[in-house]
Amino acid sequence: EAGVAQSPRYKIIEKRQSVAFWCNPISGHATLYWYQQILGQGPKLLIQFQNNGVVDDSQLPKDRFSAERLKGVDSTLKIQPAKLEDSAVYLCASSSGQVGELFFGEGSRLTVL
Amino acid sequence: AQSVAQPEDQVNVAEGNPLTVKCTYSVSGNPYLFWYVQYPNRGLQFLLKYITGDNLVKGSYGFEAEFNKSQTSFHLKKPSALVSDSALYFCAVRDGHSGYSTLTFGKGTMLLVSP
Repeated sequence: EAGVAQSPRYKIIEKRQSVAFWCNPISGHATLYWYQQILGQGPKLLIQFQNNGVVDDSQLPKDRFSAERLKGVDSTLKIQPAKLEDSAVYLCASSSGQVGELFFGEGSRLTVL
Repeated sequence: AQSVAQPEDQVNVAEGNPLTVKCTYSVSGNPYLFWYVQYPNRGLQFLLKYITGDNLVKGSYGFEAEFNKSQTSFHLKKPSALVSDSALYFCAVRDGHSGYSTLTFGKGTMLLVSP
């Protein structure tokens, strides 16, 4: 079974530039998550999708972050414009249901200079 | 709001000795509890979960965890540590009563196993 795919693995940009991350979840998983992991901290949920719909985006900084899930499969997370404090690893995960565990991708490491 | 506390930033143990990584949680409904491990520059890997049933849960790589409702704890344990167990460990909780509750993580505990 293929795992959660994310790209790019690494990205370096300057502040005020934009960046986009892509995620392809495990086939058949209805729920998709984007987490932000800042160095030394636990992952923090940015947004949770159930199929095409957003379940929770309460911690997404909507003035600069946006996310979409196309046709209930792939997802893209965009940051525009980036700030220094956005430097983090962006983790995508998927799950098949409420009691199931989350399966994580390798993450996309963003450095904002 | 739900939350997870991992009181230790780092746990040091000698190879062959038992290890415990502590976790306490707060959630309004029934807790669904998880442990994940993260190796450097990698994503999180699932170790084990408690949903219901036996309070002692066994997982991958010889790890186990004990659910204690009265103490709201879910400590991770292993009888004999390996150097290869050295990694960052995260405890997480979600509310089992809520339809689409989020998974909330603790800040993580670094486990260092010395030879």
